[in-house]
Amino acid sequence: DAGVTQSPTHLIKTRGQQVTLRCSPKSGHDTVSWYQQALGQGPQFIFQYYEEEERQRGNFPDRFSGHQFPNYSSELNVNALLLGDSALYLCASSSDRRQGNTEAFFGQGTRLTVV
Amino acid sequence: DAKTTQPTSMDCAEGRAANLPCNHSTISGNEYVYWYRQIHSQGPQYIIHGLKNNETNEMASLIITEDRKSSTLILPHATLRDTAVYYCIVRVAGGNTGKLIFGQGTTLQVKP
Repeated sequence: DAGVTQSPTHLIKTRGQQVTLRCSPKSGHDTVSWYQQALGQGPQFIFQYYEEEERQRGNFPDRFSGHQFPNYSSELNVNALLLGDSALYLCASSSDRRQGNTEAFFGQGTRLTVV
Repeated sequence: DAKTTQPTSMDCAEGRAANLPCNHSTISGNEYVYWYRQIHSQGPQYIIHGLKNNETNEMASLIITEDRKSSTLILPHATLRDTAVYYCIVRVAGGNTGKLIFGQGTTLQVKP
């Protein structure tokens, strides 16, 4: 089991550009959540995808959008990049088909630097 | 906002038990206490969770007070590899398992 995989691991973009980050969830998981973690801070919830739809969203602008594919993998898109978007972007997968209190598994993250 | 309060940092000697406290005085009856840790530049790693009974697994023990307003994560024999930021999170049981509200966490430094 490869766990949660994210690509790329590192990325450098110029202010104003657009970026796409990718996530493959753990085998058997159907829900993908995205987080942004600025340096020295805890991860902040961006949004969550389930059944190919955005189910819940945190306090992030519309420049942040996403997609989930039929195989449950997901993409995070950020448009019009700002210097403040520089952060570690984390993907977490979980399963809502299971009842009870399951844990979320995180990938290693994508380090985005905006210059 | 996070519903938990944790000390900013703690030190622990290698081989000794590390006891990490967490206050969650506004916890609801259907909310679980979860612990995650994040080693530098890696994704958070699940450690343990519980509702009201004490829990133990291969990584740690979780002690929840009877009134459920606070808890303690115990690493019984801390090693240098346990140096990390530890997050205490409360979450409603059931669906939407991927949404977690992280606070600042406790930076645990295990020293030789």
